[in-house]
Amino acid sequence: GAGVSQSPRYKVAKRGQDVALRCDPISGHVSLFWYQQALGQGPEFLTYFQNEAQLDKSGLPSDRFFAERPEGSVSTLKIQRTQQEDSAVYLCASSWNQGGNQPQHFGDGTRLSIL
Amino acid sequence: DAKTTQPTSMDCAEGRAANLPCNHSTISGNEYVYWYRQIHSQGPQYIIHGLKNNETNEMASLIITEDRKSSTLILPHATLRDTAVYYCIVRVNRGSTLGRLYFGRGTQLTVWP
Repeated sequence: GAGVSQSPRYKVAKRGQDVALRCDPISGHVSLFWYQQALGQGPEFLTYFQNEAQLDKSGLPSDRFFAERPEGSVSTLKIQRTQQEDSAVYLCASSWNQGGNQPQHFGDGTRLSIL
Repeated sequence: DAKTTQPTSMDCAEGRAANLPCNHSTISGNEYVYWYRQIHSQGPQYIIHGLKNNETNEMASLIITEDRKSSTLILPHATLRDTAVYYCIVRVNRGSTLGRLYFGRGTQLTVWP
């Protein structure tokens, strides 16, 4: 079956521009997570949705970062007024629910480069 | 914050078993041990997870010590395609951080011909 799909695969933007990154989770998965991965580091948690409700956004690095999942399926991570330090791979993951016994399945990410 | 300790790197001959250790001495009773791996330019791939008992699936085996303070991921017959960064993760199972995965830096496994 289809896995988690993210688009675009690569995004280059000039500093100060706004960007939007899309995630299509596995069909039927209730929980959706966003992670940020800097070069040479492991992924770090950004935010988490249960259906359309954003239950945890404590990992978002600044108020320039905004995520939504209005219909409980597709999610968009938006970054306003991008800065060079925002350059990273942004990963989306989904799972049946948030329980500890439910694996998260990841997409291949969007590589964002800010010039 | 990562609650695990892994070696930075390991290598293994193709066809041999790869045994990747992980220490998680502060693990709580209801926290799961998860293993993921990440091949260059791809997202993390789920491998296996366990709570108390040893687990096996088509990819690997997970051996958890009786006191649950450490575990070993076993790839029984490593291939070149198993070269990746392997992450051992203790998954918080309650509270405000429920669901988060803390990846740490992982172990770079290199399988050589």
